[in-house]
Amino acid sequence: AQSVTQLGSHVSVSEGALVLLRCNYSSSVPPYLFWYVQYPNQGLQLLLKYTTGATLVKGINGFEAEFKKSETSFHLTKPSAHMSDAAEYFCAVTPRVDSSYKLIFGSGTRLLVRP
Amino acid sequence: NAGVMQNPRHLVRRRGQEARLRCSPMKGHSHVYWYRQLPEEGLKFMVYLQKENIIDESGMPKERFSAEFPKEGPSILRIQQVVRGDSAAYFCASSTTEGTEAFFGQGTRLTVV
Repeated sequence: AQSVTQLGSHVSVSEGALVLLRCNYSSSVPPYLFWYVQYPNQGLQLLLKYTTGATLVKGINGFEAEFKKSETSFHLTKPSAHMSDAAEYFCAVTPRVDSSYKLIFGSGTRLLVRP
Repeated sequence: NAGVMQNPRHLVRRRGQEARLRCSPMKGHSHVYWYRQLPEEGLKFMVYLQKENIIDESGMPKERFSAEFPKEGPSILRIQQVVRGDSAAYFCASSTTEGTEAFFGQGTRLTVV
């Protein structure tokens, strides 16, 4: 069975500081991994994804994440936070069985950006 | 190519009424997923459908909830005899067999009063 753990329900950084949002997963099969962002009262927007190949993936808005199989992690980073990055971030995993994209989500991390 | 369309965006129902949530997947997408997001929580998988078939309903409550994805028309998530605990945001996503991601709609926010 798959599961996702996001450490820290709230993360607060200063504008311009490094953003690090942690995600650890468990999966019995090679997983596909995703980071989504959700702004208040909005749907989910895909930031980036890892399927196969290069373990460092770059996404939109300057975000990137590295798949580390040995650590079962897929942490999200951004070198310099912007006020517009304030939102809820969700890590998700799918086993990709039978062409399905059934996603298992973490509980989310709310990013606060201080001026 | 329009994205995943959900309607209504907001729905208010009195306890005991029925709620019908609609989801039109992206053009060419034959896989539909429904998720529920309770206040201050992450998204929880409810059901996965393909045209005219329920593939995985392991996340659906046993009673009052049903879903369909007919040959023609949108996917429908139906909640009968709603209770206050059903108040949540319900998200639909769609994908193709060959694709590398699922695309989400804007959600329907159900409030039961």
